[in-house]
Amino acid sequence: QLVLTQSPSASASLGASVKLTCTLSSGHSSYAIAWHQQQPEKGPRYLMKLNSDGSHSKGDGIPDRFSGSSSGAERYLTISSLQSEDEADYYCQTWGTGLGVVFGGGTKLTVL
Amino acid sequence: QVQLVQSGAEVKKPGSSVKVSCKASGGTFSSYAISWVRQAPGQGLEWMGGIIPIFGTANYAQKFQGRVTITADESTSTAYMELSSLRSEDTAVYYCARDLGLYSSGGDAFDIWGQGTMVTVSS
Repeated sequence: QLVLTQSPSASASLGASVKLTCTLSSGHSSYAIAWHQQQPEKGPRYLMKLNSDGSHSKGDGIPDRFSGSSSGAERYLTISSLQSEDEADYYCQTWGTGLGVVFGGGTKLTVL
Repeated sequence: QVQLVQSGAEVKKPGSSVKVSCKASGGTFSSYAISWVRQAPGQGLEWMGGIIPIFGTANYAQKFQGRVTITADESTSTAYMELSSLRSEDTAVYYCARDLGLYSSGGDAFDIWGQGTMVTVSS
């Protein structure tokens, strides 16, 4: 079964960096994922597509402060120079032929 | 730039149906899969199903099989999601989203999202 696991919450200080993790279920470590940001009371916004080799393609207008990386079944989103507007929920998404589309439970990021 | 514009909020009675639309503007419509994703209050994102308009065949999440119908009208660049036998647990914001890649029948990242449509199910 294709499952994505995310920590429910994370926090970091203004101006610092934070690394969020999304873990693919066993047998699916080669899958690509996407990261989405959802600010309070807004719809999701596409950040990037992240491949198993760490290569990624960002959405239009996504700042360089947002980057992605991969290691095994783990997919990471690193946000540097944290700003107040980065406080949001972050969801990872994956997909597979015959498996449909799956979302992680989301990580709520608090900027201190 | 492609935009997805959804229809307005709905209030429905339990047992009834709702049909939400998603109109694409500014780019190619038929060759990209459109999916529907919902988000109940305070909850995460849940994929319901999707369609590639040029192929016309939809696929659905098992949870919604038999209760959801996703269609697309190429002439108006509009996708639709109809959910029947509504219950209170279907109260949610419903989003349409477009795949990043062409003809991605196996799925892809969602790179464009609609603004969302609130559906409230209440007696």
